Amino acid sequence: SQQGEEDPQALSIQEGENATMNCSYKTSINNLQWYRQNSGRGLVHLILIRSNEREKHSGRLRVTLDTSKKSSSLLITASRAADTASYFCATDAWAGGTSYGKLTFGQGTILTVHP
Amino acid sequence: DGGITQSPKYLFRKEGQNVTLSCEQNLNHDAMYWYRQDPGQGLRLIYYSQIVNDFQKGDIAEGYSVSREKKESFPLTVTSAQKNPTAFYLCATRQGYLGNTIYFGEGSWLTVV
Repeated sequence: SQQGEEDPQALSIQEGENATMNCSYKTSINNLQWYRQNSGRGLVHLILIRSNEREKHSGRLRVTLDTSKKSSSLLITASRAADTASYFCATDAWAGGTSYGKLTFGQGTILTVHP
Repeated sequence: DGGITQSPKYLFRKEGQNVTLSCEQNLNHDAMYWYRQDPGQGLRLIYYSQIVNDFQKGDIAEGYSVSREKKESFPLTVTSAQKNPTAFYLCATRQGYLGNTIYFGEGSWLTVV
């Protein structure tokens, strides 16, 4: 079953506007990661936030994590047409009974940025 | 992406056939993963492996099989037991355990004809 659930499923904005995507999850995590996928391609890592962190920045990206609410958000500021893609959150947790990490992905948010 | 090669990019399978998707990496990463993605959906974990000769079932392992005879290679076989195999398959790797970035290949499209 999917650990992360993203909201909204689709987001359409104009260039220059900010885009906010939310992710909720169900169980304890070690860290949460955000990925981007262009249509028909593999996923590209954007940013990782650990469970003891509350906020992290990378360029135009800002990620927050609220472990009490089991939720995270990804903010893309001053969006560009090239930001058009699907964005996924992934929770990283111990796989039961082993020392392995298991990365579980949400359904994704489709972001369209209009020029 | 980078040092992960998936092949073939497009594959057509007839009903009742087994097919094998290749995943090779030169990143020297310990862990390798196979995910399935259906159109407009997220990724679901099929199998993963942390070390050679060891692998674990993910959330949707039924109808799939894997092997990990070499660190560099993690092929996925889609068997005839998988009733709805048409999907986009993604191989990924990462170094170590929790907290490291996963790197993805470019994916393979499998269509049943």
